[in-house]
Amino acid sequence: EIVLTQSPGTLSLSPGERATLSCRASQSVSSSYLAWHQQKPGQAPRLLIYGASSRATGIPDRFSGSGSGTDFTLTISRLEPEDFAVYYCQQYGTSPLTFGPGTKVDIK
Amino acid sequence: EVQLVESGGGLVQPGGSLRLSCAASGFTFSHYEVNWVRQAPGKGLEWISYISSSGSTIYYADSVKGRLTISRDNAKNSLYLQMNSLRAEDTAIYYCAAGSIDYWGQGTLVTVSS
Repeated sequence: EIVLTQSPGTLSLSPGERATLSCRASQSVSSSYLAWHQQKPGQAPRLLIYGASSRATGIPDRFSGSGSGTDFTLTISRLEPEDFAVYYCQQYGTSPLTFGPGTKVDIK
Repeated sequence: EVQLVESGGGLVQPGGSLRLSCAASGFTFSHYEVNWVRQAPGKGLEWISYISSSGSTIYYADSVKGRLTISRDNAKNSLYLQMNSLRAEDTAIYYCAAGSIDYWGQGTLVTVSS
């Protein structure tokens, strides 16, 4: 199975700052089938990015995804108060579907 | 509006059984593959089972193989998870998630404890 590693584990930033989250795969992710999900405390996750760089419906353009092969990045250009959450990368190109351990973005 | 609503969670003793359901609305359920994903308290997301749109293809994580059975009824827009021989380590919120994963339900909590 493809193992996903996310870094850093925790990112402490202030509102208005730029956040850069990394996801690395143990082998190449087929056709850039890489997604990012956001989860706030007490809530279900929600899809932000699919296909490595396409925003899901209703996702603000301050969220962007990039990368291919084994290295992927989620960037939040300017953090809003509602963006402080845990972010998971997920690959769906190879069965079984797998998730990274998550990056927590918290308020500095 | 796309909705996935899980039900059937609760407290069960070790070795017991539960059947989770997921009711879908707002999209053509029969066109979508569906997954069950769980999250133990304070932990990350763990994929546990997949079923194709027709139900002909099914996969399980090794951690649940032989104990959990996924099924669907496209006529009822519903997904199911039969859980047998439950263990303490199965305690988690169970989410149904449609597509690869495009849509999430709100989750249902399963607690395995004596």
